[in-house]
Amino acid sequence: DQQVKQNSPSLSVQEGRISILNCDYTNSMFDYFLWYKKYPAEGPTFLISISSIKDKNEDGRFTVFLNKSAKHLSLHIVPSQPGDSAVYFCAAPNSGGSNYKLTFGKGTLLTVNP
Amino acid sequence: NAGVTQTPKFQVLKTGQSMTLQCAQDMNHNSMYWYRQDPGMGLRLIYYSASEGTTDKGEVPNGYNVSRLNKREFSLRLESAAPSQTSVYFCASSEGPYQPQHFGDGTRLSIL
Repeated sequence: DQQVKQNSPSLSVQEGRISILNCDYTNSMFDYFLWYKKYPAEGPTFLISISSIKDKNEDGRFTVFLNKSAKHLSLHIVPSQPGDSAVYFCAAPNSGGSNYKLTFGKGTLLTVNP
Repeated sequence: NAGVTQTPKFQVLKTGQSMTLQCAQDMNHNSMYWYRQDPGMGLRLIYYSASEGTTDKGEVPNGYNVSRLNKREFSLRLESAAPSQTSVYFCASSEGPYQPQHFGDGTRLSIL
């Protein structure tokens, strides 16, 4: 039972345009969400997070939006750059009642074309 | 700026062999984690240590054991390796719950 779902395995955008990566969740106990970026042969790197008391969090070119009623969050990257090409994972703590346990989505491979 | 260091980076084992994956962090973090990542899958938590002296099971603990040796080090042991344990293993650390986790670059483990 996937509690965090990233339904798009891949996304391709042109440099300078907006990239929108989506994530859905089923567990209404989730109250904090994180996005990680992963390059090949490297570990994931934390990108941005959002608490459920907010509906938007912005950090430079990266903005995360949270729609609690729809159990949906999205990561917007504007403008997209070739260096943004990576796999993006959304994740949420409080799996099985422990805030230490992160549940990850399967990831979306973003390709930004020059 | 080492962050989280994992050794070895690559390993090939035969079925039934044992081995220990090592992880050390230099960020003075309280919590440490072991994940595995399989093709087409997200990261799945094997074990975690909320603080020095404690360990708890994650989502996929069967076939593994862990030791929180001290605040810096958290090892993962495969007592009798099986082909199903072929994966990329990531160690991570964080200050605590709800804090971003910092990951090592992974150990690529193949079991024949």
